[in-house]
Amino acid sequence: EDQVTQSPEALRLQEGESSSLNCSYTVSGLRGLFWYRQDPGKGPEFLFTLYSAGEEKEKERLKATLTKKESFLHITAPKPEDSATYLCAVQDAGNMLTFGGGTRLMVKP
Amino acid sequence: KAGVTQTPRYLIKTRGQQVTLSCSPISGHRSVSWYQQTPGQGLQFLFEYFSETQRNKGNFPGRFSGRQFSNSRSEMNVSTLELGDSALYLCASSLSRAPDTQYFGPGTRLTVL
Repeated sequence: EDQVTQSPEALRLQEGESSSLNCSYTVSGLRGLFWYRQDPGKGPEFLFTLYSAGEEKEKERLKATLTKKESFLHITAPKPEDSATYLCAVQDAGNMLTFGGGTRLMVKP
Repeated sequence: KAGVTQTPRYLIKTRGQQVTLSCSPISGHRSVSWYQQTPGQGLQFLFEYFSETQRNKGNFPGRFSGRQFSNSRSEMNVSTLELGDSALYLCASSLSRAPDTQYFGPGTRLTVL
């Protein structure tokens, strides 16, 4: 059974204070690892897809990396508008996503 | 390009009733997946439809069912509603099956009284 664990559950940062979110996973036959951002009351918004260990993707202040056991979402100089819940999910041989519990990020001005 | 749309956005039902939720995928997307999101359990996979056939099913009771139409639009149905069915129901679409990025709709907030 696929499992995804995200840490920390919640993270408070000051504006400009860089940090990293962790996503540890076990999956049989990883087809892809996905990062989503979710604002309260809304559906998850796609951020990145990573397919193999060593792969990195960047978008504005966010950078996602992938190893064989975990993925990191690095946030550089965050702004208050980056406050959201960040979700990690793995995709196995089917088209099913298994999600972690998410990290709730709060960035204070 | 229009995103995934879900209707209705909000729904209030009472125990024992049944409900049907609708999802229109992004144009050209043929795979539709459904998820249930609750504060306690997080996001959990319900089922996936591709070419009008259910391809995957999560660990939910038979009260939860769905279907997909020839235009890729999908509906999910929950019969004999229970209080624990209160949740945000999310639909996601992708061009094809794995590996492919799934794009989510805004969700339907179901409250069971």
